[in-house]
Amino acid sequence: GQQLNQSPQSMFIQEGEDVSMNCTSSSIFNTWLWYKQDPGEGPVLLIALYKAGELTSNGRLTAQFGITRKDSFLNISASIPSDVGIYFCAGPEYNTDKLIFGTGTRLQVFP
Amino acid sequence: KAGVTQTPRYLIKTRGQQVTLSCSPISGHRSVSWYQQTPGQGLQFLFEYFSETQRNKGNFPGRFSGRQFSNSRSEMNVSTLELGDSALYLCASSLGRARGTQYFGPGTRLTVL
Repeated sequence: GQQLNQSPQSMFIQEGEDVSMNCTSSSIFNTWLWYKQDPGEGPVLLIALYKAGELTSNGRLTAQFGITRKDSFLNISASIPSDVGIYFCAGPEYNTDKLIFGTGTRLQVFP
Repeated sequence: KAGVTQTPRYLIKTRGQQVTLSCSPISGHRSVSWYQQTPGQGLQFLFEYFSETQRNKGNFPGRFSGRQFSNSRSEMNVSTLELGDSALYLCASSLGRARGTQYFGPGTRLTVL
């Protein structure tokens, strides 16, 4: 089946810094979703992308749907302590619509 | 509008027992999907129910089953529990078929001793 690889696996940054993470696949996705998960909670949807090349923002978060449809990027500007958590990309599998999740990027922000 | 709710939040069982987890979707949502999350395997799709019918199934043994009721509430059952079933079980709902935007509940943390 399709797989999603996220990088980096973890990040340790200082408050105020910008963050970039990405998600790649060997096959095409028609939808890209970005979720954030806090410890002990379920993932929360941050941004949904439905069209190749689409750039969408949600506050300090910006995500892009790659032109090749095989990748997506998430940027966080001016990070704050509450940005700490695990960020997942996800997309529906092409022929089954099962939602496939990436391996996650763990973000730590220190003051 | 209330979010997705899952009960119970925490559960401790012993090997060989069975367990039933419950999920109430967002009002008006007809699709419910279940996921297993473990540190080693990440988030893995279990199954999706839409209008009381199972529409999709992941690669899990038959010990894992589910159902959906006419009010869209869903239950998930695991029989003959194994130690490896210890995980966070997440439920997600969406308006139509789960082709994209899904909203997750807080999960049920299952520990098998």
